[in-house]
Amino acid sequence: NAGVTQTPKFQVLKTGQSMTLQCAQDMNHEYMSWYRQDPGMGLRLIHYSVGAGITDQGEVPNGYNVSRSTTEDFPLRLLSAAPSQTSVYFCASTDRATQETQYFGPGTRLLVL
Amino acid sequence: SQKIEQNSEALNIQEGKTATLTCNYTNYSPAYLQWYRQDPGRGPVFLLLIRENEKEKRKERLKVTFDTTLKQSLFHITASQPADSATYLCALPRDSSYKLIFGSGTRLLVRP
Repeated sequence: NAGVTQTPKFQVLKTGQSMTLQCAQDMNHEYMSWYRQDPGMGLRLIHYSVGAGITDQGEVPNGYNVSRSTTEDFPLRLLSAAPSQTSVYFCASTDRATQETQYFGPGTRLLVL
Repeated sequence: SQKIEQNSEALNIQEGKTATLTCNYTNYSPAYLQWYRQDPGRGPVFLLLIRENEKEKRKERLKVTFDTTLKQSLFHITASQPADSATYLCALPRDSSYKLIFGSGTRLLVRP
């Protein structure tokens, strides 16, 4: 099992550009989440999904969109990047049976100029 | 609002000693609490989960306590090793189990 994978590892954007952060998991987990991690602030939940076709907002959803067309994939879209979105983004998945342990991907480091 | 606090100052200890990290929370009565380890440039990795009806849980050199009266969890690493150097995060479930609130983490440095 590869677990949770994320691409790209690092990205530089200019203000106003759009991009999609990719996340995939091969553990057949129903629940998937996106977090951002900023210095001194811990991980904050952006969006989450409880299954294909079902998504909802987390703590800091503004400026981000998600979709879940398959169980495996959960992409995060930045529609118009802003410097405030400079952060490290982590995708995580959880098995619905336990709803406890979260498995995290390696992260995407995003710099918005 | 719900809040989790971890000591933002790094903990610097000598190899072989016991490291103790603290996680305090307010305005919250979680069903369980989790601890994760995060190495630089990597995603968090789950270590231990302790439920509200458990006072203590152990896994190899790790021990976690959970005091729901004090609203505090302590994370201990006994016989610490330089390889234990990392940032340790505590996390609590929000309104649903798969939505976690994370502390900002405490960095542990174990000197040889």
